[in-house]
Amino acid sequence: GEDVEQSLFLSVREGDSSVINCTYTDSSSTYLYWYKQEPGAGLQLLTYIFSNMDMKQDQRLTVLLNKKDKHLSLRIADTQTGDSAIYFCATMDSSYKLIFGSGTRLLVRP
Amino acid sequence: EAGVTQFPSHSVIEKGQTVTLRCDPISGHDNLYWYRRVMGKEIKFLLHFVKESKQDESGMPNNRFLAERTGGTYSTLKVQPAELEDSGVYFCASSQGLKGAGNTIYFGEGSWLTVV
Repeated sequence: GEDVEQSLFLSVREGDSSVINCTYTDSSSTYLYWYKQEPGAGLQLLTYIFSNMDMKQDQRLTVLLNKKDKHLSLRIADTQTGDSAIYFCATMDSSYKLIFGSGTRLLVRP
Repeated sequence: EAGVTQFPSHSVIEKGQTVTLRCDPISGHDNLYWYRRVMGKEIKFLLHFVKESKQDESGMPNNRFLAERTGGTYSTLKVQPAELEDSGVYFCASSQGLKGAGNTIYFGEGSWLTVV
């Protein structure tokens, strides 16, 4: 079945850029998503990208998609302490289910 | 516009008891999903409703779990009897359609279940 992989942990200094990477196996995924979960909170949709796009930018967030390598990344510019959270990459399979990675915990050091 | 709302936000029950979780999707969203994350693992799909019909329930772990969406509005997820391994956070999500921008799926805050 579909598999989505993420690194478990990332630590950056406040003001630096963060890059969270994700790889997936299902080449038929039409939409790919990034969700954020702050401590004790629910899943917040950050952004998504359609599979025919290479890049999408939304304020401090940049999503890059390499379909050939099945690699998705989320770049957060000027990372702030409020960005500390777990970030989940997700793909949508052919039956409209979201397949999530295990989440990357981002720690922003002051 | 109200988002996806879930109730209760937290629940602590004893093994063997019953718990019912409720989800109110975003108004007008035909698609309603249940997901869960147990013990810090990845978030897993449970089932998908289109209006009142179960479109896909392949993720339901066993027959102790029962989901309903009578009338195609809110949904309930009942766990009976609850076991220790059911502890985790249960997310509900909804989307307007299945194609185009309707693919965007919005999640609730989750119902955090602890079975002791």
